[in-house]
Amino acid sequence: DIQMTQSPPSLSASVGDRVTITCRASQGISNYLAWFQQKPGKAPKSLIYGASTLQSGVPSKFSGSGSGTDFTLTISSLQPEDFATYYCQQYKDYPFTFGPGTKVDIK
Amino acid sequence: QVQLVESGGGVVQPGRSLRLSCAASGFILSSQAMHWVRQAPGKGLQWVAVISYDGNTKYYADSVKGRFTISRDTSKSTLYLQMNNLRADDTAAYYCAKSKFSGEYNSFDLWGQGTLVTVSS
Repeated sequence: DIQMTQSPPSLSASVGDRVTITCRASQGISNYLAWFQQKPGKAPKSLIYGASTLQSGVPSKFSGSGSGTDFTLTISSLQPEDFATYYCQQYKDYPFTFGPGTKVDIK
Repeated sequence: QVQLVESGGGVVQPGRSLRLSCAASGFILSSQAMHWVRQAPGKGLQWVAVISYDGNTKYYADSVKGRFTISRDTSKSTLYLQMNNLRADDTAAYYCAKSKFSGEYNSFDLWGQGTLVTVSS
């Protein structure tokens, strides 16, 4: 199975901050990488697929980059509604696997 | 609008069975691969199973292989997860998710709200 890791596990940030989350795959996955946002008690929401393509309706403050094994999710200016847990996922091979998540909370 | 609504969760004893349903609306179920993903309380996301757009291909996580079966009824526009021989570590919120494109090697673009399964004696 392809193992996904994320760093940091959690971070504290202020409104307006630029935030970057890193995701690493245990083997090359090209750009078969997605990012999801999950708020407490809610279903995940799809943000990005293909490592860098925004899902429909996702604001441009979110951006993704990377290919192969190393990927990043950046939130350009953190807003109150962005405080959540973020997960990466590889869909290059089955079983699809998720990273352990990065919790973004308010400083 | 495009929507997924899960149902069928509840409390069940170890070793018993449960069937989850996911009602799809706003799109044609037979045009997309569909997935089940679960999340144990306080834990991360775990992919569980996929059924291809034509229903001919199914994959499962090792932890559920031989116990869970994914299926669909296109006439009812409903996805199912039949869960047999349930164990305590199957306790989780179960989400259905729609593949963005028809193939099964695609990410998800839509999630249901989830249904909670608790396995306990």
